[in-house]
Amino acid sequence: ILNVEQSPQSLHVQEGDSTNFTCSFPSSNFYALHWYRWETAKSPEALFVMTLNGDEKKKGRISATLNTKEGYSYLYIKGSQPEDSATYLCALLLANQAGTALIFGKGTTLSVSS
Amino acid sequence: DSGVTQTPKHLITATGQRVTLRCSPRSGDLSVYWYQQSLDQGLQFLIQYYNGEERAKGNILERFSAQQFPDLHSELNLSSLELGDSALYFCASSGGTGLALVEQYFGPGTRLTVT
Repeated sequence: ILNVEQSPQSLHVQEGDSTNFTCSFPSSNFYALHWYRWETAKSPEALFVMTLNGDEKKKGRISATLNTKEGYSYLYIKGSQPEDSATYLCALLLANQAGTALIFGKGTTLSVSS
Repeated sequence: DSGVTQTPKHLITATGQRVTLRCSPRSGDLSVYWYQQSLDQGLQFLIQYYNGEERAKGNILERFSAQQFPDLHSELNLSSLELGDSALYFCASSGGTGLALVEQYFGPGTRLTVT
């Protein structure tokens, strides 16, 4: 069974703190890694799609890195704000003879207090 | 607003029944993905269509089927419904060549309750 693990499961920080989460995945058959931000009562919103080992992407105060050889990706949030409170999901795109499949982690829920 | 629309918003039905969920992708997007989010399972990928053809399959039950029509809208058909099928069903769309290498845009979801 292929598992995408995210840690920590939840996190509470103060406004202004910087934080990071981890997404771990099996490195074989890697095709791409997606990061999503999911606010309560809304739909998941795409943050990044990463495909190359060593990839580093940035969107405002949020950035992500990818290591496909060791099977992990980090998501960083610099200077957290209350509006960053959400669940952050990563999803692994695998490709094999059967086709492609997206496997989601259970997410890291971030709560930012002002 | 992501540009992806889903209908209905809510659906309540009884066990054993059949329902159809509808999704219209963003203008120009050829790929449509279906996901199920239930309390105990998290977000599960069900199936992907690209330009009318099935492209990838995830944890979709045999009681479930989907199709994508020439106008690119998609329908997810759920039959012989069980209590455990109660969940939030999301549709997402993306551009690109259909290999899920670009961002996906999610619709607002359909909340299905099976009683």
